Amino acid sequence: KAGVTQTPRYLIKTRGQQVTLSCSPISGHRSVSWYQQTPGQGLQFLFEYFSETQRNKGNFPGRFSGRQFSNSRSEMNVSTLELGDSALYLCASSFEGGANEQYFGPGTRLTVT
Amino acid sequence: SQQGEEDPQALSIQEGENATMNCSYKTSINNLQWYRQNSGRGLVHLILIRSNEREKHSGRLRVTLDTSKKSSSLLITASRAADTASYFCATDSFSGGYNKLIFGAGTRLAVHP
Repeated sequence: KAGVTQTPRYLIKTRGQQVTLSCSPISGHRSVSWYQQTPGQGLQFLFEYFSETQRNKGNFPGRFSGRQFSNSRSEMNVSTLELGDSALYLCASSFEGGANEQYFGPGTRLTVT
Repeated sequence: SQQGEEDPQALSIQEGENATMNCSYKTSINNLQWYRQNSGRGLVHLILIRSNEREKHSGRLRVTLDTSKKSSSLLITASRAADTASYFCATDSFSGGYNKLIFGAGTRLAVHP
């Protein structure tokens, strides 16, 4: 099976812009979770989508949003980018989601200048 | 917020030595997982141990879980340079009707040839 893929791998944006990141889960997986990883805060849970519905959300402002399509592919969007949004954004897929074993993609490195 | 806290933060050893990393957590769990992350890449699932298990093995990995002390340890035996990576423990956290994974800050392991 192909692994989790994320596009793009690297992105440079300017403060105030918005960005959309994409994640394609392993075939058959219904859950996609998103995480933000920074040196200061570590790995933080953003949200989880399961069968096109957001069923869990972390403590992030409303500028961070996401969605999941019927083929389980997911996108996350960050609007009005801030310097502090610079991070590695990781998505992970699993069949049942929640706290089960997750399969991670390589991440998207976002730099906000 | 972080549920699991690893120690040490960093560990430097020679090839062939054993590496032990510890994880402590705060609230009751159903399972605890360990993941590995090579520099700036996605995480790879190593092992999952359930709350009713005390020890689990996978190849050169041995994980123990002590629910009375709310702690777990990951032992890598006969380490190799390829084991150089960051290691994270992750515990389940129930909120909003669903479980999610909460990751610790990680232990950076360097294995020198």
